[in-house]
Amino acid sequence: AQSVAQPEDQVNVAEGNPLTVKCTYSVSGNPYLFWYVQYPNRGLQFLLKYITGDNLVKGSYGFEAEFNKSQTSFHLKKPSALVSDSALYFCAVRDMNDYKLSFGAGTTVTVRA
Amino acid sequence: SQTIHQWPATLVQPVGSPLSLECTVEGTSNPNLYWYRQAAGRGLQLLFYSVGIGQISSEVPQNLSASRPQDRQFILSSKKLLLSDSGFYLCAWKDLGNTIYFGEGSWLTVV
Repeated sequence: AQSVAQPEDQVNVAEGNPLTVKCTYSVSGNPYLFWYVQYPNRGLQFLLKYITGDNLVKGSYGFEAEFNKSQTSFHLKKPSALVSDSALYFCAVRDMNDYKLSFGAGTTVTVRA
Repeated sequence: SQTIHQWPATLVQPVGSPLSLECTVEGTSNPNLYWYRQAAGRGLQLLFYSVGIGQISSEVPQNLSASRPQDRQFILSSKKLLLSDSGFYLCAWKDLGNTIYFGEGSWLTVV
């Protein structure tokens, strides 16, 4: 079985401040990890993924995430948040031997000007 | 480049009526295809998965069915809609790099 936890329903930050969205996961095998962003009434947009290799992965729009195997975490970060980063963010995990992508409940990010 | 199309974008249907949501992927062949449902703007639930024509895996028992009549076409259907079928339906496909990409979604309201 696989699962994802996003412990924060909401994250509020001021524009220009660092942004962190937390994610922990559970899989029986090796994980494939993903972050997606969703704007109102839109589909999910892919931000970044960890499959193998360097634990720090960089993605779209200045976002990055660090894979931490010992803590089973994959937190999303951005050094300087923009108002336009306000959206719903989803972490997702897939066991490398499975087809199913399991999502967390999502974290709403609000960046205030 | 690859693109994914879903239609209709919005749909209002009476209880007991049939449903057909369509999804097509362009620019790739033999993609893995998915149907997800998102309720209340939050969590996503996998409904169906397909690895090829006529090959459908169902994740949860429900009032819906899926079909894949062509390599890049995935259809979500129902013979008789329930109020609980309302939601945001997302089609997705997986590329060779193991990334799953989503369409823009279809809003279904059952009244």
